[in-house]
Amino acid sequence: SAVISQKPSRDICQRGTSLTIQCQVDSQVTMMFWYRQQPGQSLTLIATANQGSEATYESGFVIDKFPISRPNLTFSTLTVSNMSPEDSSIYLCSVEDPGGYEQYFGPGTRLTVT
Amino acid sequence: QQQVKQSPQSLIVQKGGISIINCAYENTAFDYFPWYQQFPGKGPALLIAIRPDVSEKKEGRFTISFNKSAKQFSLHIMDSQPGDSATYFCAAIPTQTSGSRLTFGEGTQLTVNP
Repeated sequence: SAVISQKPSRDICQRGTSLTIQCQVDSQVTMMFWYRQQPGQSLTLIATANQGSEATYESGFVIDKFPISRPNLTFSTLTVSNMSPEDSSIYLCSVEDPGGYEQYFGPGTRLTVT
Repeated sequence: QQQVKQSPQSLIVQKGGISIINCAYENTAFDYFPWYQQFPGKGPALLIAIRPDVSEKKEGRFTISFNKSAKQFSLHIMDSQPGDSATYFCAAIPTQTSGSRLTFGEGTQLTVNP
């Protein structure tokens, strides 16, 4: 399985600022995903990021709020822009195994907006 | 039709007992059903997965039972241990549908008492 790291692991940010979360994978993958998990809740897909193309956003999520970069097959970033306390959540990066449908998750970034 | 319903929301089991978590789905196109285990402060980890061509899959103390006609699948944890205390998510995806993504259940918080 792929080994995924995320930076930062946690952060406390002020309202109105932006935070960029990095996701690094130890192998080349085509499909990368960004999820949000609010406390005690299930996982909600924000967007799918494929290398060489624009990210595909799920209903309720927009590029202006959550811009995503995917410069190569092992790295992606998610920016949470103009943050409000409602953005306080865990943000998770995930990748799909190129050989199958298994999906693996990073450790997450715990964001608190004050 | 994309939903996956998971129950119970929380479960308390004594050490050595059997933990059973159930999931039900409506979309008959779903053909890959993984289970994830998530410890506090960690990302979800793929635990075990099943395809509908088999009725049961066992890996160690973890077993998935699948009932295609009822559109239900369940996770059984035999000889439950305090270290199994975590949140468990079922998921499903229609792998033959281009651009499809995992649909997650609501999660079950399992507590195994010593």
